[in-house]
Amino acid sequence: GAVVSQHPSWVICKSGTSVKIECRSLDFQATTMFWYRQFPKQSLMLMATSNEGSKATYEQGVEKDKFLINHASLTLSTLTVTSAHPEDSSFYICSARDKNWNQPQHFGDGTRLSIL
Amino acid sequence: TQLLEQSPQFLSIQEGENLTVYCNSSSVFSSLQWYRQEPGEGPVLLVTVVTGGEVKKLKRLTFQFGDARKDSSLHITAAQPGDTGLYLCAGARQFYFGTGTSLTVIP
Repeated sequence: GAVVSQHPSWVICKSGTSVKIECRSLDFQATTMFWYRQFPKQSLMLMATSNEGSKATYEQGVEKDKFLINHASLTLSTLTVTSAHPEDSSFYICSARDKNWNQPQHFGDGTRLSIL
Repeated sequence: TQLLEQSPQFLSIQEGENLTVYCNSSSVFSSLQWYRQEPGEGPVLLVTVVTGGEVKKLKRLTFQFGDARKDSSLHITAAQPGDTGLYLCAGARQFYFGTGTSLTVIP
């Protein structure tokens, strides 16, 4: 079946650094990718939707300059957390879907981000 | 935007007990999906319900879509420790997830 690979799975870094998370669709072309943030035992909160070759659409309250999203190809989207601070620590999950929106989206296994 | 409210938010039961999780909205959905997520992993799709009043069974799990397609329920019979996880509903197109139900089944 379709697979979405997310990398890295866990990252620990110092406050003030920028962190890039990659989301790749391995066996299909992902015209749309979604980025979610999740706190322990809570639901997934949609941060932004990215379409290949265009600017991402951010949800209300999500800082676009803080969370940079690039979807330059049909198989790769990246989320960069710029100047990360401890409050940015969270579990970030991406998902991808192809042009057939009747099919469910496929999720990555998430990235645990810890900012010290 | 959380359009889907799940209840209960947390549930801790003994192995062998039955339970029901609810997903409610004021909006009508063309379809609704249920996912289970384990810690440190992405959500895994369990089922999609499409027709109002539809009932789907997946082994010990029974999913129902409300007649008005505004709500859904997940019933687990004889819960097992392996059922432990976060259960999430999601509306059509699955942009937005419900508030989530964290289930713990105690051996």
